[in-house]
Amino acid sequence: GQQLNQSPQSMFIQEGEDVSMNCTSSSIFNTWLWYKQDPGEGPVLLIALYKAGELTSNGRLTAQFGITRKDSFLNISASIPSDVGIYFCAGSIQGAQKLVFGQGTRLTINP
Amino acid sequence: GAVVSQHPSRVICKSGTSVKIECRSLDFQATTMFWYRQFPKQSLMLMATSNEGSKATYEQGVEKDKFLINHASLTLSTLTVTSAHPEDSSFYICSARDYSGGGFETQYFGPGTRLLVL
Repeated sequence: GQQLNQSPQSMFIQEGEDVSMNCTSSSIFNTWLWYKQDPGEGPVLLIALYKAGELTSNGRLTAQFGITRKDSFLNISASIPSDVGIYFCAGSIQGAQKLVFGQGTRLTINP
Repeated sequence: GAVVSQHPSRVICKSGTSVKIECRSLDFQATTMFWYRQFPKQSLMLMATSNEGSKATYEQGVEKDKFLINHASLTLSTLTVTSAHPEDSSFYICSARDYSGGGFETQYFGPGTRLLVL
């Protein structure tokens, strides 16, 4: 079945630094979604991407749908303490109901 | 974004009892909802796809008689963990599929339900 490889698995950064994480797949996806999950909570949608090459921002977050449709990245600029959490990429292929999830990137910020 | 609620947020039960978890889409209609299970420090594991008015589709390895799913309306899906045992203790999360954004679909997640079986 489809698999998503998300990297890095964890990041330890200083407050104010920029963050970059990405996901790659073995299949072509027609939707990429990025979520953030805080401890004990459900994932919260950050950015949704629907077209190859699409670059979308949400505040300090920017995500892109790769041209090959097999990858996506998420950037966070000028990180702040509330950015701490686990970030998941998720994608779906044409006609599929369900999402495939990456393994998550755990972000830790040193003040 | 759209809002999905789950109830209860936390439940503790005795081994052998059944537990029902509700998932509601509050401001949109969802013909399809999904149930996930998440173990500590792991990604979400899809258990089943819940379709309004029809039988749920279970992922491989998920016992349909153990995890009963009912999607009786466009805003409500329920997951019942029957005869719960300690190994069923986990974090259960639902999501709802929303097409209202100009035809592009998105999934919104509920806040999750922490189940502890004693």
